[in-house]
Amino acid sequence: DSGVTQTPKHLITATGQRVTLRCSPRSGDLSVYWYQQSLDQGLQFLIQYYNGEERAKGNILERFSAQQFPDLHSELNLSSLELGDSALYFCASSVTGTNQPQHFGDGTRLSIL
Amino acid sequence: DQQVKQNSPSLSVQEGRISILNCDYTNSMFDYFLWYKKYPAEGPTFLISISSIKDKNEDGRFTVFLNKSAKHLSLHIVPSQPGDSAVYFCAASTIQGAQKLVFGQGTRLTINP
Repeated sequence: DSGVTQTPKHLITATGQRVTLRCSPRSGDLSVYWYQQSLDQGLQFLIQYYNGEERAKGNILERFSAQQFPDLHSELNLSSLELGDSALYFCASSVTGTNQPQHFGDGTRLSIL
Repeated sequence: DQQVKQNSPSLSVQEGRISILNCDYTNSMFDYFLWYKKYPAEGPTFLISISSIKDKNEDGRFTVFLNKSAKHLSLHIVPSQPGDSAVYFCAASTIQGAQKLVFGQGTRLTINP
């Protein structure tokens, strides 16, 4: 158990819809990262927050957004969903952002029908 | 542009022997490297890491070697156990990149009894 909690574990929805994925980091961790794992792309970095502030962005689509709340949990919002958004979405957390291992949750599997 | 490559999709090793997993990278700015293990339906589990100022790091049965001139790192598992059967990912990051992890495509390790 990494201590990182992601909900829900599975999400099935239709094209055009909007969903919110939630992540609670390990106790004491200030940094939260979001990654997408699709079959053909492997694990790809989406976005990082540190203590409530956006720190870095990867190839995150404009239809996707995230935030980190004062209690340090984070949410990833995906809107106008397309079939290609079907993937595993992982959240990770670390104590700080510098040369510290990231610890991953078990992911949310998003299926777009 | 795949900056982190694991050229062996799979590896089969006999129980008790040494498992050696390899990883190559192209970005000379990477300064922190990690290995993760992943079981099906779970998130990646952190195994071991190494900073670019070192060339070796050990933790129990796991040792990571870093050859900066060759831009190559390897993970040695000795002795290999059946529970080590999983997909192994190497990952790399830079301080300038705000520690976002760039992952290889993974190597599936199978330990045979």
